[in-house]
Amino acid sequence: TQLLEQSPQFLSIQEGENLTVYCNSSSVFSSLQWYRQEPGEGPVLLVTVVTGGEVKKLKRLTFQFGDARKDSSLHITAAQPGDTGLYLCAGAPGANNLFFGTGTRLTVIP
Amino acid sequence: EAGVAQSPRYKIIEKRQSVAFWCNPISGHATLYWYQQILGQGPKLLIQFQNNGVVDDSQLPKDRFSAERLKGVDSTLKIQPAKLEDSAVYLCASSLGDASNEKLFFGSGTQLSVL
Repeated sequence: TQLLEQSPQFLSIQEGENLTVYCNSSSVFSSLQWYRQEPGEGPVLLVTVVTGGEVKKLKRLTFQFGDARKDSSLHITAAQPGDTGLYLCAGAPGANNLFFGTGTRLTVIP
Repeated sequence: EAGVAQSPRYKIIEKRQSVAFWCNPISGHATLYWYQQILGQGPKLLIQFQNNGVVDDSQLPKDRFSAERLKGVDSTLKIQPAKLEDSAVYLCASSLGDASNEKLFFGSGTQLSVL
């Protein structure tokens, strides 16, 4: 069962542009994580959000957890080629389960 | 700090053959996970261990997949016999505890091609 849907599935933008990636579900999550995965490597954790409405910033990346804890977004300002990768959200419906979303493949063109 | 180690890096087999993957988690991490990532998709949890006990194996195809974590450290994942649809990257991850908001550390994965 796929609990988390991400959109868009693919995104190709020019360096310097802004973008937003969405992670949606009909389920409520106790926490939600965002990972970035580069080709040939495992995912690397970017952030964990646990409170509804929470906003976290990591340099040019802004993460928001929905008020109802069912969805999340990732906004990147002034994208750079180094931001290229597969962005994955992962939600925890219970105490010790973590389910990954379908992923958004971002390409930033110099 | 050493990361999660996985081997082999790549494996090519024919359908109906057997294959095994090995994972050495970060020292001191109690929880170990095996994920299957099919091309173009997010990782799917196959099995989760807490020390040497199974926490969740609900999505493990038990007719052909098996996993063990003897002594609560290293783990092996086996597929016997392999099918074409098993072609994927098999990722091992570990975390200190088993809470849902724990940080998972992933290995580089084993890319399996079943011909």
